[in-house]
Amino acid sequence: NAGVTQTPKFQVLKTGQSMTLQCAQDMNHEYMSWYRQDPGMGLRLIHYSVGAGITDQGEVPNGYNVSRSTTEDFPLRLLSAAPSQTSVYFCASSPDRDTPYEQYFGPGTRLTVT
Amino acid sequence: GNSVTQMEGPVTLSEEAFLTINCTYTATGYPSLFWYVQYPGEGLQLLLKATKADDKGSNKGFEATYRKETTSFHLEKGSVQVSDSAVYFCALSDRIGYSSASKIIFGSGTRLSIRP
Repeated sequence: NAGVTQTPKFQVLKTGQSMTLQCAQDMNHEYMSWYRQDPGMGLRLIHYSVGAGITDQGEVPNGYNVSRSTTEDFPLRLLSAAPSQTSVYFCASSPDRDTPYEQYFGPGTRLTVT
Repeated sequence: GNSVTQMEGPVTLSEEAFLTINCTYTATGYPSLFWYVQYPGEGLQLLLKATKADDKGSNKGFEATYRKETTSFHLEKGSVQVSDSAVYFCALSDRIGYSSASKIIFGSGTRLSIRP
C-alpha cells in the first residue's frame, strides 16, 4: 500500500492563478480531509468527505473547492490563489467517519503564493 | 467552541532527560484526546489516544492521562532520545454540527529538540 499520496510536494503560484492539489489513498477509507498548517496555529480543517459524493466544509473553507467522485481521490482546488493561502497542505484519510482520529496523513504540499 | 491549548516551544532537552509537554482543553461533553507527532518533512502520526476520563494512552515510552477534573492531557516521557526530536500536537475530537462525523481540533504544536 502506498497509503496517502499527495502531489505536488512544492508549488509556487502567482496571485489569481488557480490549481488543484491532488490527494489519493489506496486503503479504501471512507473519511478524507484537507488541512492547512500555518506557523503557531496547528492544523485547521478546510474540507472533509465522509464518502464518495459527499463533502462538507470545515473551519476555513473560503477560497477552496473539493469534490469526491471516487473513494480513492479527494482533490483540493484553489480557485484564485491569494498570498493568505501560502501554507503547507495535508490530506488525511480514516477508515471510519466516526473515528477520524485514526487518520493517516500524506506528506504534505508546500504552497507559496506570490 | 472546543479548543486545545498547549505549551509553546521550542523545548530543548538533553538526551535521557524527563519530558513534560502541557496540554489543556476546553470542551462540552466528553471528547477523545490525542497526541500526534510530526517528524521533520513528514505528515502527522497518531502517537497515543485516550477516549474517556482517567484513561492513560501510551506508545513508544510516551504517556498521557485524560484528567477531566483539570481538563488536561499532559504528555510525558521518562527518558528522551535524539530520535524524539519532532513537533508534538495535542488534539481532541469534536462533532461537526449535527452530523455523525467528527473532526479533530489541534493545538498549535510544540517543537521538541533533544541534544545528544
